[in-house]
Amino acid sequence: GAVVSQHPSRVICKSGTSVKIECRSLDFQATTMFWYRQFPKQSLMLMATSNEGSKATYEQGVEKDKFLINHASLTLSTLTVTSAHPEDSSFYICSARDPVSTTSNTEAFFGQGTRLTVV
Amino acid sequence: RKEVEQDPGPFNVPEGATVAFNCTYSNSASQSFFWYRQDCRKEPKLLMSVYSSGNEDGRFTAQLNRASQYISLLIRDSKLSDSATYLCVVNRGDSSYKLIFGSGTRLLVRP
Repeated sequence: GAVVSQHPSRVICKSGTSVKIECRSLDFQATTMFWYRQFPKQSLMLMATSNEGSKATYEQGVEKDKFLINHASLTLSTLTVTSAHPEDSSFYICSARDPVSTTSNTEAFFGQGTRLTVV
Repeated sequence: RKEVEQDPGPFNVPEGATVAFNCTYSNSASQSFFWYRQDCRKEPKLLMSVYSSGNEDGRFTAQLNRASQYISLLIRDSKLSDSATYLCVVNRGDSSYKLIFGSGTRLLVRP
């Protein structure tokens, strides 16, 4: 089936630095990818929609200048957490749809997630 | 009111038990419904889609009641490996394919 690969799986960074997370669709082209954040014992919260070749759209309350999204190709979206602070520590997960999937057209495939710890 | 609501549990059941999870959603325009499974510190994985007529996949049965905006998941003959958090997921109901996740119901299957 479709595979989405996310890298790195875990990162620890110092407060004030920036961290880039990559999300790749390995066997399909994804014009749209989604970025989620999950705090412990909470639900996945959609942060933004990454659109290939155009600007990302952000959910209400998500700072676009802090969470930079780039979707430069049909198989790669990146999320950069700029000037990271301890409160940004979370589990970040990307997902993508295979537009030609034979199952539900809204089925989403998830990356393995990135556990970010800001110290 | 949350867009997707689930009982957080945990449900603690013996092997072989039957357990049922419920979920309600608030957006009547939602058209796609799923149950995902998430293991600790891992990404969610699709367990099954939920169809209006109800559907079954082995030991798992999902039901949808659009009038009540209610989704259920039934697990029969529970296995130790079923221990996980089960996420009820619906689409936003617009053309964006965005998914809204419930906070999950935790299942613990004991020997």
